[in-house]
Amino acid sequence: GAGVSQSPSNKVTEKGKDVELRCDPISGHTALYWYRQSLGQGLEFLIYFQGNSAPDKSGLPSDRFSAERTGGSVSTLTIQRTQQEDSAVYLCASSLAASEGVNEQFFGPGTRLTVL
Amino acid sequence: AQSVTQLGSHVSVSEGALVLLRCNYSSSVPPYLFWYVQYPNQGLQLLLKYTSAATLVKGINGFEAEFKKSETSFHLTKPSAHMSDAAEYFCAVKGSGNYQLIWGAGTKLIIKP
Repeated sequence: GAGVSQSPSNKVTEKGKDVELRCDPISGHTALYWYRQSLGQGLEFLIYFQGNSAPDKSGLPSDRFSAERTGGSVSTLTIQRTQQEDSAVYLCASSLAASEGVNEQFFGPGTRLTVL
Repeated sequence: AQSVTQLGSHVSVSEGALVLLRCNYSSSVPPYLFWYVQYPNQGLQLLLKYTSAATLVKGINGFEAEFKKSETSFHLTKPSAHMSDAAEYFCAVKGSGNYQLIWGAGTKLIIKP
C-alpha cells in the first residue's frame, strides 16, 4: 500500500473488555513499531518487531498488553481487560530494517482508544 | 543513555514571523537526530533528519535545523510562519540500540493571524 494503515481509527470500549488494534505496514518494511500517545504526552514506545527476530517487548506497560505480527507483515496489538488509563492514541510505524542504516519511521494515522 | 528535551510545550508566533522550536539532546555516542510533525488527527511525518553529514539540515515545508555539538542542540527553524504550520512537533534521537528512537514530549506550534 501507499502508507501505513491502522484500524479502527476510533474505538470506544467499556472497562474490562478486550480490544484488538490492527496495523498494516508499508510493503517491504521489515521493522514495525507500536507507540502509545496519551493526551499532551510524547510517544511511549511499546514494542518492536524486526523480521523473524524475537520482538522487543520492553515497552509494554503490563501483561494485559500483547502484540503479534503474522507473516512478517500485519500486526495486532491486543489489550485485555481494558482500564480507563489505557485511553490514548495508539500509533504504528514501519521502516526498512534498522541494520540497513538510519531509516525513517513511517507512521500510520493511529487508533484513538477510549475506555469508558 | 540518550534523552531529548523540548523547551516549551506550546509556542505561539504570528503569521509571517520566525519559528524557533528548541530541542536539546544527550547522547553518549554521535547522535542521529530527527524532527517529526503531527497535524491534528494524523500520524507523524518526518520533517528532517541529521545523520552526521552537513550540520545544517533542510527539510520539507521550508523548515531547517542546525546541529550544534557544543550546545547539544538541534533547534528547528522556519523564517516565516504560515497558518498551515500549526501542528505538534517532536524531536527524537536515535537510541543506543540500532532501531529505537527516544522522543521529546513535543511542542505545539500555534500560529496567530
